[in-house]
Amino acid sequence: LAKTTQPISMDSYEGQEVNITCSHNNIATNDYITWYQQFPSQGPRFIIQGYKTKVTNEVASLFIPADRKSSTLSLPRVSLSDTAVYYCLVGDIGNTPLVFGKGTRLSVIA
Amino acid sequence: EPEVTQTPSHQVTQMGQEVILRCVPISNHLYFYWYRQILGQKVEFLVSFYNNEISEKSEIFDDQFSVERPDGSNFTLKIRSTKLEDSAMYFCASSEEGRRNSPLHFGNGTRLTVT
Repeated sequence: LAKTTQPISMDSYEGQEVNITCSHNNIATNDYITWYQQFPSQGPRFIIQGYKTKVTNEVASLFIPADRKSSTLSLPRVSLSDTAVYYCLVGDIGNTPLVFGKGTRLSVIA
Repeated sequence: EPEVTQTPSHQVTQMGQEVILRCVPISNHLYFYWYRQILGQKVEFLVSFYNNEISEKSEIFDDQFSVERPDGSNFTLKIRSTKLEDSAMYFCASSEEGRRNSPLHFGNGTRLTVT
């Protein structure tokens, strides 16, 4: 399983764009990159998933460089309700169970 | 949007008692999972289940744990004889079959407190 490294915590003001970068140097060919969000006392919630280049949905964008050894989750114009822990997971979901790391605790300040 | 539902939301039990945690996965999903999260710690994988059998399990999932899909909709986790260290949030998740990039959908968990 590819090991991931992401910052333990980040702070941001409301209305700013937040970029959280995850390193996954030993990502395998079949691995996808998936980001989850978790609020206190709730289950992780799927945000976005990608394999290469850029993926965008109504919530976030995911940027993956050509070597796929890292990825960046971009949250546009964060609000207080975006305060949560964000997890970067790398794996081939069809074959092995996803393993969560410690995640990045994002605190959005008014 | 379809959801994974878990019951109860909070379960308190005495050490040594059996508990059953219940989950109703999303109806067209065929892969099912249990994870747990001890307070302040990481989300840990316990077990995955497909086609009525366990496909993967972690070291945490010892003989005290079992899973079952007793009917077409429920997916249960049983802890035979609970220990204090089993106190945690237990999350059920499900995903679609046949899509290698199928994301997991999690329920909101059952908080298990063992006293």
